[in-house]
Amino acid sequence: QKEVEQNSGPLSVPEGAIASLNCTYSDRGSQSFFWYRQYSGKSPELIMFIYSNGDKEDGRFTAQLNKASQYVSLLIRDSQPSDSATYLCAPKSSGDKLTFGTGTRLAVRP
Amino acid sequence: GAVVSQHPSWVICKSGTSVKIECRSLDFQATTMFWYRQFPKQSLMLMATSNEGSKATYEQGVEKDKFLINHASLTLSTLTVTSAHPEDSSFYICSVRRPGQLYEQYFGPGTRLTVT
Repeated sequence: QKEVEQNSGPLSVPEGAIASLNCTYSDRGSQSFFWYRQYSGKSPELIMFIYSNGDKEDGRFTAQLNKASQYVSLLIRDSQPSDSATYLCAPKSSGDKLTFGTGTRLAVRP
Repeated sequence: GAVVSQHPSWVICKSGTSVKIECRSLDFQATTMFWYRQFPKQSLMLMATSNEGSKATYEQGVEKDKFLINHASLTLSTLTVTSAHPEDSSFYICSVRRPGQLYEQYFGPGTRLTVT
């Protein structure tokens, strides 16, 4: 079992729709969870973090965390073509390292 | 604005030569920086953790004598790829960890290395 699992996609949604990106992790000791966006050919950019069970909203982004199920998700409302990128889920493991999933590629159709 | 800078942004070198990549923390003092490598269509792979004033901690399978890391100050870490070979061609990205409880990491823009 991989440490961090994400559907590689591509996840294709029409402009204005909600994009739902999911991530499961194996390390029960993970306390903080980060979502990064990576455009093709660029480095990752931090967009959200969450450390408590439940939802956390920031603009069009909502992160959801369920530690019992070892599941974290990212919702993007009113998706825009500029949101087309690869989204990386990264739990913080013991030792302060981030473990990255392979990412989900999101394509927003105009 | 940018939190982390990297230099150079791209470099082409001949097989057998060495290449140095610099990573600078612009907004805060970083006792810990990380070096990652990313091959096309693959995820980020942590190579090593760079600690200011001490030796870097390398991940399993990463040759410490080939990838030399120096974290000489609280704002600068360097990665030197020694005796580079074509298989070392990759996208090298550093990150800095913001001090605090959450330990979020901010990435530099990356350095694309091509070894011919």
